[in-house]
Amino acid sequence: QVQLQESGPGLVKPSETLSLTCTVSGGSISNNYWSWIRQPPGKGLEYIGYFYDIGNTNYIPSLKSRVTMSVDTSKNQFSLTLTSVTAADTAVYHCARKASSGWSSWYFDLWGRGTLVTVSS
Amino acid sequence: ENVLTQSPGTLSLSPGERATLSCRASQSVNSNYLAWYQRKPGQAPRLLMFGASSRATGIPDRFSGSGSGTDFTLTISRLEPEDFAVYYCQQYGSSPLTFGGGTKVEI
Repeated sequence: QVQLQESGPGLVKPSETLSLTCTVSGGSISNNYWSWIRQPPGKGLEYIGYFYDIGNTNYIPSLKSRVTMSVDTSKNQFSLTLTSVTAADTAVYHCARKASSGWSSWYFDLWGRGTLVTVSS
Repeated sequence: ENVLTQSPGTLSLSPGERATLSCRASQSVNSNYLAWYQRKPGQAPRLLMFGASSRATGIPDRFSGSGSGTDFTLTISRLEPEDFAVYYCQQYGSSPLTFGGGTKVEI
């Protein structure tokens, strides 16, 4: 069965760049919409955006200037880069796959367990 | 954005009891595009319901979803020990996608 596993540094300094990778095992990364969703400590889940292929991405307005998502099909991985981080970016970051049943089906049928990223000096 | 408010924050019940979880939206959810997820410590969130009332693959029929417009409910008819977890709703009827704050179902 398809599984997702997030990886990356658990600690990032303020003003630096957060980089996370999600490895897809048991299935192909192609022809799917991949998203990142985060949860700050004590708060709810926040959708960050999606990547489908080059030129087909979408990020929430509040993070758009700092976020980049990409896919490496040769490694079956997709990634998140978030620049100029602050303490407000401290969160558990999940990768997730959009359900495949049509464009309007913007819910997530597969998630990773998540990885905690702390922004602190 | 469409803000989702879940209640109660915590639900204390026993195995065999019925659980009723509420998700209220600040605006009507287009086409009842509402999903529910279950999250257990150390595990990936699991899709339970979509379209407000459709069960995802492999979800037992003790889970049911209902509602429309701004008020939605997830019902667990008879709690099993493995159902004690945190539950989140998510709307996908409008951009940006938003999630509720979660309801913890505890023993």
